[in-house]
Amino acid sequence: GAGVSQSPSNKVTEKGKDVELRCDPISGHTALYWYRQSLGQGLEFLIYFQGNSAPDKSGLPSDRFSAERTGGSVSTLTIQRTQQEDSAVYLCASSTPRGRAFFGQGTRLTVV
Amino acid sequence: GEDVEQSLFLSVREGDSSVINCTYTDSSSTYLYWYKQEPGAGLQLLTYIFSNMDMKQDQRLTVLLNKKDKHLSLRIADTQTGDSAIYFCAESKGGSYIPTFGRGTSLIVHP
Repeated sequence: GAGVSQSPSNKVTEKGKDVELRCDPISGHTALYWYRQSLGQGLEFLIYFQGNSAPDKSGLPSDRFSAERTGGSVSTLTIQRTQQEDSAVYLCASSTPRGRAFFGQGTRLTVV
Repeated sequence: GEDVEQSLFLSVREGDSSVINCTYTDSSSTYLYWYKQEPGAGLQLLTYIFSNMDMKQDQRLTVLLNKKDKHLSLRIADTQTGDSAIYFCAESKGGSYIPTFGRGTSLIVHP
C-alpha cells in the first residue's frame, strides 16, 4: 500500500477483555516495529520484527502482550486481559532493512 | 538519564525561526531523525541525517549534527502556525536500526 495502515483507528474495550491491533506495513518493507505512546509521554518501544521473526521483544511490558507477523507482512499485537494502564496510542512503523521508519496513524486504545 | 533528550516546549512568533534541540547518548548512532506529530495523528518523518554528515538542508528545514557533543538540532525558517506540533528526535544504530525516541518538543507558534 501507499503507507502503513493500522486498524482499528479507535478501540474502546472493557477491562479484562482481549484486544487485537493490526498493522499492514508498506509493501516490501521487511522491518516492522510496534511502539506505545501514553498521554503526554514519548514513544515506548515494544517489539521489532525482521521478516517473520522477532529478534527483539525486550519492550513488551508484560506477558499479557504478544505479537506475531505472518508472511513477512501484516502484524497483529494482542493484549490479553486488558488493564486501564494499557490505554494508549499504539503505533506501528515499517522500514527497509536499513532504512527510515514510516509510521501509521496509530490505534487509540481506551480500556474502561 | 534518557537516551535521547529534548526540551518539552518551545514557543515562537509566526515568521521567526524555530530551533529545536536534542541530545543523545550513543556515539554509535547511525541515523538521526526528526519526526512531526500533529494532534491525533501518527508520526510523519520530516527529515533525517546520517551520522557522517554535519548538516542537511531541505527547504525551510535545516538539520545540524555535532557528533562530538552528540547534539542534533532542527531549525525551521519562517515558522508558520501550521508548524505547531510535537517534534520528536530519534536515533538508530546498525543491527536492528530500531529508532529510539525523545519525549518530544511541543512547538507553539503564535501570531
